[in-house]
Amino acid sequence: GIQVEQSPPDLILQEGANSTLRCNFSDSVNNLQWFHQNPWGQLINLFYIPSGTKQNGRLSATTVATERYSLLYISSSQTTDSGVYFCAVAPSGGSYIPTFGRGTSLIVHP
Amino acid sequence: DAGVIQSPRHEVTEMGQEVTLRCKPISGHNSLFWYRQTMMRGLELLIYFNNNVPIDDSGMPEDRFSAKMPNASFSTLKIQPSEPRDSAVYFCASTQGQGGEQFFGPGTRLTVL
Repeated sequence: GIQVEQSPPDLILQEGANSTLRCNFSDSVNNLQWFHQNPWGQLINLFYIPSGTKQNGRLSATTVATERYSLLYISSSQTTDSGVYFCAVAPSGGSYIPTFGRGTSLIVHP
Repeated sequence: DAGVIQSPRHEVTEMGQEVTLRCKPISGHNSLFWYRQTMMRGLELLIYFNNNVPIDDSGMPEDRFSAKMPNASFSTLKIQPSEPRDSAVYFCASTQGQGGEQFFGPGTRLTVL
């Protein structure tokens, strides 16, 4: 099946810093999502982005499908950004079952 | 919309007991997924339904686990008998159409003593 690798596995930031999270995948995809799992365990949708660039406030994401990666940018980080960020991809070619990466654990200190 | 609804939110039970987890997908969504999350194994897909039909149940750990979707607005995941290693957070998610944006419920935290 498709392989999904996220980097870095852990990230510690000071409030106000910027960061870039990466998701690499091993095959062509028909969808890609970024999720934030907050410290209470909720999985929150950030972006549905099989290709291109999207922005939502301080967060933006870019997927370059031909090169098999996606990037999540967090600008001016806040303590509420802490949690785990997951990338999930579904391969093209008929399977609609997403495969999740292991996530990037982010801690933002005040 | 109310989002994906799961119940109970927390369940504590003793080894050997039957456990039933419930999920109501977002209205109009026709694909439903059950996941299990643990520290060791991360998020694992257990079973995937499309139009109430199980499409992929290869992630169901063993015969102790079963899932049903009797109609478009309700699904259950049953564990009988439960074991301590089943302790995890169980998530339900739904999408509109295959390959659509996936939305998760709040999860059920299961503890088997």
